[in-house]
Amino acid sequence: DIVMTQSPDSLAVSLGERATINCKSSQSVLHTSNNKNYLTWYQQKPGQPPKLLIYWASTRESGVPDRFSGSGSGTDFTLTISSLQAEDVAVYYCQQYFRTPLTFGGGTKVEIK
Amino acid sequence: EVQLVESGGGLVQPGGSLRLSCAASGFTFSTYWMTWVRQAPGKGLEWVANINQDGSEKHYVDSVKGRFIISRDNAQNSVYIQMNSLRADDTAVYYCARDRGAAAGYAHWGQGALVTVSS
Repeated sequence: DIVMTQSPDSLAVSLGERATINCKSSQSVLHTSNNKNYLTWYQQKPGQPPKLLIYWASTRESGVPDRFSGSGSGTDFTLTISSLQAEDVAVYYCQQYFRTPLTFGGGTKVEIK
Repeated sequence: EVQLVESGGGLVQPGGSLRLSCAASGFTFSTYWMTWVRQAPGKGLEWVANINQDGSEKHYVDSVKGRFIISRDNAQNSVYIQMNSLRADDTAVYYCARDRGAAAGYAHWGQGALVTVSS
């Protein structure tokens, strides 16, 4: 199985400041046939199902604010919130979509400092 | 509008069985893979199983292999998960999810069904 490791487990960021979450996969999730990284990011708020933010490592889902961005390739990925807003308080998960089981990272809790 | 509605959750004793259903609407159900993801109380997300468009291909996480069975009925626009030999560590909210296609993540989720395994 591909193991997804997120860091940090939690972080506190001041409003308007940048938040950076890292995700590392135990194997490359780059699909060489189409040069796409099969890596997705989700946001989950309490009592709600996850919400898709980013797919193919860096493509923003429709309707997601542009302060959210994804980067990385192969085994190392980053989700960046460029200017943290109060509504961004949530747990963020990465997931590899490369091979079943389609494993998730352990999650990163983002709070306001 | 895509809608996924889970049902069938509840309290079950260890060793018991339960069947969850997910009723889908707002899209052509028979053209999408469908997935179950679970989340134990206070814990992270765990991918459980998926099934292809005609039900001929199924995949499971190791922890449920041999105990859970995913199935679908395209005429009823529904996907199911039959859970047998339930254990305390199967206690979780079970979400039904549909991807956006092309290995691009789960764009649509149900609200979840709580399964509690306890005596």
